[in-house]
Amino acid sequence: KQEVTQIPAALSVPEGENLVLNCSFTDSAIYNLQWFRQDPGKGLTSLLLIQSSQREQTSGRLNASLDKSSGRSTLYIAASQPGDSATYLCAVSIIQGAQKLVFGQGTRLTINP
Amino acid sequence: ETGVTQTPRHLVMGMTNKKSLKCEQHLGHNAMYWYKQSAKKPLELMFVYSLEERVENNSVPSRFSPECPNSSHLFLHLHTLQPEDSALYLCASSKTGTGNSGANVLTFGAGSRLTVL
Repeated sequence: KQEVTQIPAALSVPEGENLVLNCSFTDSAIYNLQWFRQDPGKGLTSLLLIQSSQREQTSGRLNASLDKSSGRSTLYIAASQPGDSATYLCAVSIIQGAQKLVFGQGTRLTINP
Repeated sequence: ETGVTQTPRHLVMGMTNKKSLKCEQHLGHNAMYWYKQSAKKPLELMFVYSLEERVENNSVPSRFSPECPNSSHLFLHLHTLQPEDSALYLCASSKTGTGNSGANVLTFGAGSRLTVL
């Protein structure tokens, strides 16, 4: 059974710092890995999707990497801003086609002005 | 507004009530999903409808009944729920496919916050 773990559960850093969020999964047989952010009381917003054949994806200040063989992904946030404060969720897709995603519990990130 | 609309946003119901959650998307997606988000637990996939085929999580109790009349609408019918069913129910949609065409990126609605008394 696929399990996804995110460390740390919570992180608080000063504005302007670069930071890394970690995600690990137990079964390397995945089709893709996605990172989402969730603001309090709201739905999820997709940030990045990495296909199983890819090593990384970048969008603005965000960079996500994938090492499928070791079952790890990282989300790097450069020059953090207070608006980046949210819960960040990692999810892996275990079937092709319709996305049967297995989620981690998330990392709650707080950026202090 | 993400393009996936969920109603109602908040619902309080008794254990003997029957209610339904509704989800609508006009993004041209061909797969729709129900996820459950409980406090201190990871998001849990309940049901997937893809090209009119239903894929379900076998651990979902029968008191939750999905309906997908077409590719744009998804319902979750609720009956004789338990207090532990109180949670945020999230609907999502995606376009199935391969490669970097934007396929498989899930778009979520804002959720329906359900409280069972």
